Amino acid sequence: GEDVEQSLFLSVREGDSSVINCTYTDSSSTYLYWYKQEPGAGLQLLTYIFSNMDMKQDQRLTVLLNKKDKHLSLRIADTQTGDSAIYFCAESIGGGYQKVTFGTGTKLQVIP
Amino acid sequence: DTAVSQTPKYLVTQMGNDKSIKCEQNLGHDTMYWYKQDSKKFLKIMFSYNNKELIINETVPNRFSPKSPDKAHLNLHINSLELGDSAVYFCASSQGTLLFFGPGTRLTVL
Repeated sequence: GEDVEQSLFLSVREGDSSVINCTYTDSSSTYLYWYKQEPGAGLQLLTYIFSNMDMKQDQRLTVLLNKKDKHLSLRIADTQTGDSAIYFCAESIGGGYQKVTFGTGTKLQVIP
Repeated sequence: DTAVSQTPKYLVTQMGNDKSIKCEQNLGHDTMYWYKQDSKKFLKIMFSYNNKELIINETVPNRFSPKSPDKAHLNLHINSLELGDSAVYFCASSQGTLLFFGPGTRLTVL
């Protein structure tokens, strides 16, 4: 299966950490991604992780991958109002051309 | 600017009309895509082209016809537009594993 699921909404206070969670069903995923979509804009790649890794850190972003549970999370440290957006988890299955399947998106609201 | 660009940004039209959306990328990528995002923000792949050849076609009605005149362009033509076609259509390109998206075309069918 190719289902990628996320909770729909998350609200945090400015300065707190945000954790956005994602579950996927296809165990043959090779790459997992986090994209950010601001209102009226396209999707912007934030970070990605190869399936043989369990963690990746990039400045305020930390990605954790639990391959056994097929669970991916994105932690944003010191969340700012500019982080308010919809965050999409996505997976791709390797072997040839990329077919990337997106999650349902999590709307992050940052309260000043 | 190196980017994926789409035109038009907004498209409002009547049911039954035929319309086209254009996409261009100057990133030198071999693969281009069309995605549809519905009102609930759900994003679903429609088509993918690699070096002008169709490689993914995801159960999209025949009224949708992609055309890739060269590997930097992927256009989407839609015949006999229906109310349910209203959505935001995103073009994307990739070289390897990373997708780069255009700004989207918001299509409204009245």
